[in-house]
Order: sequence, then C-alpha cells, then structure tokens
Amino acid sequence: EAGVAQSPRYKIIEKRQSVAFWCNPISGHATLYWYQQILGQGPKLLIQFQNNGVVDDSQLPKDRFSAERLKGVDSTLKIQPAKLEDSAVYLCASSLDLGLRVNNEQFFGPGTRLTVL
Amino acid sequence: ELKVEQNPLFLSMQEGKNYTIYCNYSTTSDRLYWYRQDPGKSLESLFVLLSNGAVKQEGRLMASLDTKARLSTLHITAAVHDLSATYFCAVDNTNAGKSTFGDGTTLTVKP
Repeated sequence: EAGVAQSPRYKIIEKRQSVAFWCNPISGHATLYWYQQILGQGPKLLIQFQNNGVVDDSQLPKDRFSAERLKGVDSTLKIQPAKLEDSAVYLCASSLDLGLRVNNEQFFGPGTRLTVL
Repeated sequence: ELKVEQNPLFLSMQEGKNYTIYCNYSTTSDRLYWYRQDPGKSLESLFVLLSNGAVKQEGRLMASLDTKARLSTLHITAAVHDLSATYFCAVDNTNAGKSTFGDGTTLTVKP
C-alpha cells in the first residue's frame, strides 16, 4: 500500500515570495491534515479536511496561508507571501475516517522542508 | 484548549537500562497515540490506545493509558541504540475531532 506522498521535499524561497506544497493521501483515507513542525517542537495542526470539507482551520494564518482539497483526494497548501517565521517542515497526514470517531491514527508523509531567507 | 505535556523533553540513557516517558494531558480523552520520529524523517505510528487501561507492547517498548489520571506512559526496557529517536504523544480532543501533539521526548541511547 502506497503511503502519503508529498512534494517538493525541500524548498528555499525569499521572504514575500509564494510557495505551494502538494499532498496525496493514502487511497481511501477520508481525512487529510496539514501540520507545521518547527524545529524542536511537535507538529501543529494548520488545517484538517474530511473529504473536501474543512473540519478545523482555527490555527491557519488565513491572511497568508490557504489550502484546498477540491476533489476530496489530493490537497495543496499555499503560503503567500512567506515570512521568515514560516521556515519549518510542513507535514501532510491522512487517516481512514473521522466520522466514526473511533480511531484517529494518522499516517504521515515525508514532509516538505521550507526555508525562508 | 487541550494541552499535552511530555517529560522529560530530553533523555540520555545507556544501553540495557530501563526508563519511562510520561505524557500528561489537560482534558478528558480516551484516545491517545504514540509516534516516533527519526532525525530528518517523518512521524511513524507506534501505538494506538483507545480506552482506559489499554496497554500495548512492541519489542522493547510498552505504552499504557490511564484516562482518569490523564496520563500515558511509554516504557523502554533494556534500551538499545536503535531506539534513539524523538517520541511524540498525541491526544484526541474528542469534541473537536482533532489530535494535539506534545513537544516530543528526544531519546539518545549510548553504548
């Protein structure tokens, strides 16, 4: 079974530039998450989708970050414009089904390491 | 707001020794997860604990959950170098349907 795919793996940009990340979850997983992980910290949830609807985006800086999951499968996360403090690893994860609220075990992709200069 | 605290944040231990990592959380939940992260890598699921008193074991690692104390432990038995990694616990906010992660415990096992 293929895991969660993410691209690119690394990205270096200058502040005020734009960047986009892509994620393809495990086939059949209804729930998709984007996390920001700053060095030395745990992952912080940015946005959570169930199918193509947003479940939680309370910690997404909406003035500069946006995300979509149009067909309920793959997803993109965009930052425009980037700031220095956005330097982090952006992790995508998926889980089977949140609807039953039984098991929210998440499967993570390899992450995208973003450096903002 | 659900808060998750792990301790210790850093742990250096010798091979062959035993130790326990603690994960405390602030609000009621009966679903807790442990993940492992190697340097420069992504997170890998280790244990899923879905009820009070749940205990899971895999090799030299054993995880347990006490929902009344809002505490989970990850016990390491006879540590080996291959266990060196950062371990995260994540707790489900059952009302909000999302997980909150602790800041991780970085374990270094020395020969």
